Amino acid sequence: GEDVEQSLFLSVREGDSSVINCTYTDSSSTYLYWYKQEPGAGLQLLTYIFSNMDMKQDQRLTVLLNKKDKHLSLRIADTQTGDSAIYFCAENPGSSNTGKLIFGQGTTLQVKP
Amino acid sequence: DSGVTQTPKHLITATGQRVTLRCSPRSGDLSVYWYQQSLDQGLQFLIQYYNGEERAKGNILERFSAQQFPDLHSELNLSSLELGDSALYFCASSVAPSRVPYGYTFGSGTRLTVV
Repeated sequence: GEDVEQSLFLSVREGDSSVINCTYTDSSSTYLYWYKQEPGAGLQLLTYIFSNMDMKQDQRLTVLLNKKDKHLSLRIADTQTGDSAIYFCAENPGSSNTGKLIFGQGTTLQVKP
Repeated sequence: DSGVTQTPKHLITATGQRVTLRCSPRSGDLSVYWYQQSLDQGLQFLIQYYNGEERAKGNILERFSAQQFPDLHSELNLSSLELGDSALYFCASSVAPSRVPYGYTFGSGTRLTVV
């Protein structure tokens, strides 16, 4: 089946690292994504990882992929108040041969000053 | 500005009515996707079009329909509206019809309120 799960809420202090976790079910997913949604806005692609990679780093963002456990995580270093938003994990199911993305429920990140 | 334009931004209508949501994809993108975001269901894939043809269908109700026109803009038609249809409707676009390594570009959404 196609299912993506995330924890719903994470609270951190400014300057700390944030780690948002996600599990997915489709082992044939070729790409996995992290999107960010700020209040009243659409979804903005933060980063993506190809399924043959274990890790991808992009400035303050680090994505880790454990394909065996179908576990994806997003680490935000030196978290700022501007990082407060909802973060969505998504997979592009390999079996679908379409661009359909399956999204998790979203993790609300609260950054306290 | 993401390049994906959705109109209107807000819509308030009564139960039983019909509305049309419009989306213009980013320049050069051939594929359009519609998603519904509600508090209880999260982000649900509705439908995908690629170059005017339906490519994939998700959890789209029979009361809903969509199309993509020759100029590549897309419309989502919602009819016999119910209170439960109140949600944010997002349009997204991509160049390719599948295996989208760079993800999509999302519009800012249309907030539909059914009263």
